Amino acid sequence: GQQLNQSPQSMFIQEGEDVSMNCTSSSIFNTWLWYKQDPGEGPVLLIALYKAGELTSNGRLTAQFGITRKDSFLNISASIPSDVGIYFCAGQLDSGYALNFGKGTSLLVTP
Amino acid sequence: GAVVSQHPSWVICKSGTSVKIECRSLDFQATTMFWYRQFPKQSLMLMATSNEGSKATYEQGVEKDKFLINHASLTLSTLTVTSAHPEDSSFYICSAILNPGLAPAGTGELFFGEGSRLTVL
Repeated sequence: GQQLNQSPQSMFIQEGEDVSMNCTSSSIFNTWLWYKQDPGEGPVLLIALYKAGELTSNGRLTAQFGITRKDSFLNISASIPSDVGIYFCAGQLDSGYALNFGKGTSLLVTP
Repeated sequence: GAVVSQHPSWVICKSGTSVKIECRSLDFQATTMFWYRQFPKQSLMLMATSNEGSKATYEQGVEKDKFLINHASLTLSTLTVTSAHPEDSSFYICSAILNPGLAPAGTGELFFGEGSRLTVL
């Protein structure tokens, strides 16, 4: 499968700051998803996006499905220490297909 | 929500032995499951697609004779690492998809297992 381009690779921020990360692909996906993975555990779904241009929020998290269907971003507002972890974007061609993951963004938040 | 469970969470084995990892969908039937492999500080890489009642589809570069996948029921897929070697040490994660005929469009494969860490000595 294709690996998506995710940036930044890592972020080191202070509590209360906003965070933004993005993901791009050379091909179109019909679904974009954002996951968080804590050490030694499987990924947990944060936000799923199903339509180009869609902007969806989940608490302090906001994600958008790019209009070209080749990109997506995730914003975290007012970060807190428990936001620490690795965030992965994933693109899915269609229901029933496997996910293609980005390389991940490692987020560290200092109190 | 739907739950996917993997067992064991941790396994340490000697080189040359075989190890079986189970992936179960606990509250739904999964006709399709996916097996991923994740090396430290890297992303998840798809190994194979497991379909209930038929042979698994392997990604390029994944040895099907080494990574045996069996999806004998709608709630269980197993990954067996045969003749394991130290380079097979990794974090293996499964993902289960709701029956595509029942799932809303675009919501396939939202549920991941907790992962199984394999260490081969």
